[in-house]
Amino acid sequence: EAGVTQSPTHLIKTRGQQATLRCSPISGHTSVYWYQQALGLGLQFLLWYDEGEERNRGNFPPRFSGRQFPNYSSELNVNALELEDSALYLCASSFDMTNTGELFFGEGSRLTVL
Amino acid sequence: QKEVEQDPGPLSVPEGAIVSLNCTYSNSAFQYFMWYRQYSRKGPELLMYTYSSGNKEDGRFTAQVDKSSKYISLFIRDSQPSDSATYLCAMSDHGSGNTGKLIFGQGTTLQVKP
Repeated sequence: EAGVTQSPTHLIKTRGQQATLRCSPISGHTSVYWYQQALGLGLQFLLWYDEGEERNRGNFPPRFSGRQFPNYSSELNVNALELEDSALYLCASSFDMTNTGELFFGEGSRLTVL
Repeated sequence: QKEVEQDPGPLSVPEGAIVSLNCTYSNSAFQYFMWYRQYSRKGPELLMYTYSSGNKEDGRFTAQVDKSSKYISLFIRDSQPSDSATYLCAMSDHGSGNTGKLIFGQGTTLQVKP
């Protein structure tokens, strides 16, 4: 069974540009989560999607946005990139929105903002 | 003050040693406690999951939760070089089914030397 897949693996952008990151959940999983892992800061919750709806977002500015498609895949968009947006962006999925913490993570997309 | 505190290490031990990893937290509402393992350049994977207080054992791994002290631990017996990774504690008050949000510690980097 394929795990959570993310693309691209690496992305280099300059300040002010936009970045789009993509995620395909495990087959049968309806919930998708996005986390930011910046150096030395641990994982910070960004967004949660389930059944195509945004269910919750973390303490990030509105220039972080995303969506979930009918096939449950998801994309994360970061507009007006800033240097501090450089981080590993991790996508995770779970079977449904009632799960109690068992998230299955992808390998992440590393975003570098120059 | 961070909601979850975890010593980032690094922690270096000889093969066969007993390893103790710890996190403290401030939110008394947390009920779900998890340990994730993250190998270099990989996404985190769930290692142990505990609801409320008590101990849970799985092979060489034992997770302990002491809610009165707001303290959780992960013990690794007979540590192996393959255990070398970053260990992240995570917790929430609703699993992730209610808010989609897990609060992660910073992660402790463990190296087990042959």
